[in-house]
This record gives sequence, C-alpha cells and structure tokens, in this order.
Amino acid sequence: DIQMTQSPSSLSVSVGDRVTITCRASQGIRTYLNWYQQKPGKAPKLLIYDASSLQSGVPSRFSGSGSGTDFTLSINSLQPDDFATYYCQQTYIGARTFGGGTRVEIK
Amino acid sequence: QVQLVQSGAEVKKPGASMKVSCKASGYTFSDYYIHWIRQTPGQGLEWMGWINPHTGGTDYAQKFQGRVTMTGDTPLSTAYMELSRLTSDDSAVYFCARDFKAYQLFFSLDYWGQGTLVTVSS
Repeated sequence: DIQMTQSPSSLSVSVGDRVTITCRASQGIRTYLNWYQQKPGKAPKLLIYDASSLQSGVPSRFSGSGSGTDFTLSINSLQPDDFATYYCQQTYIGARTFGGGTRVEIK
Repeated sequence: QVQLVQSGAEVKKPGASMKVSCKASGYTFSDYYIHWIRQTPGQGLEWMGWINPHTGGTDYAQKFQGRVTMTGDTPLSTAYMELSRLTSDDSAVYFCARDFKAYQLFFSLDYWGQGTLVTVSS
C-alpha cells in the first residue's frame, strides 16, 4: 500500500495565522489526493480533491497544491472554526490510504 | 438535503460478526458509490472498500478481503457492511460515506454518516 506521511503531526497557531500542512506519498500519485477536516466526535469533511480543487461550499482561504509525491494544504488567515485535525488521502491506487493527521490547536 | 444515517453502537465478542447499516436520503441512492472507512486511535483512518448500489459490485481493501461483505438494498436506500471473525483490533468507529460524483468512482467522499462505534471485548 502507498504510505502517506503528514507533517507536522500537530501545530499551535493563532487566529489570523497562515497554516501550511504537508503530505508526502511513498510513491508518485499524480494529483490523486484529497484533504479532509475533522472535528472531535464528527465525521471528516472534504475540503480539497484532485490536490487543488476546492470542494463546493469550502471557504476560499483553503487551498491545496502539489503533484507526484509532495502536497501542501494551506489555510490563509486561520479562523476559530478551523481548529481541527486535517488528513490527506491518496485516491490513486490500491487501498486508498490516509495520512496520520495534523492537529491544529489554538496557541 | 443529503443524509447518511448509521445504525447504533455495538458491543461484540471476539470471533463474532458485526453488521452496520447506512440509510441514505436526499438523493437517488443507486446513483452514487458508497464507501466504508473505519477510524481507530492506533491505525487512524482506514478505507475498507466500496459498493456500487446500482450493480451490487464491490471492491475491498486487501486487508479486509475474506472478512468483509458490503451490500445494498436499493428499495430501502440502505447500505450494509458486515465484518466477520472480529478481534479487539476491529474496535473502531465505522463510517459510511458517499462518493461525490454520480455514476463515477472518485474516492472523494462528500457526505458521511455519523459513525458507528463498535467495541470488541470479551
């Protein structure tokens, strides 16, 4: 299976900060990558698909980039509602594996 | 509005089987693939497989092949996931989720059920 490695595993930030989360695939996956947001006790929410396409209804402060093995999720001007855990998921082949998550906490 | 409502929490003995249901509403159930994902503190999020409710076709992650069965009941707009020969490692929250494009398999999941906690304990 393709391994997905996220970094950092957690970060403490303030409202208004810009946040960047990275996701690395163990082999090339072109742009077959999703990003999800999950809050405690809730199901994940789709933010980005195809590495850089914004899901309908998701604020434009979220953006994704990358291809091949290296990907980035950026959040411009972090809002209080954005404190959550973020996961990447490869949709290229085999078991569609998820990264281990990045927890974004309030500083 | 689109909703996926799952069955309630379960406690199972090791070696037993579990079956979780996922009732869809707000869209045509047979038009969208349904995926099953589980979440554990140790393994994180794991994709288990999908079912095409229209054809009944399925595909399972290799890890679960031989133990998992995904089915659908179109008149009831309900998908089911059955997992057999349970061990404590199967204790998890199980989610169903809808693929976001009708008639196509994208593995991009736009609507999720609320999750079903399954605890395997003797």
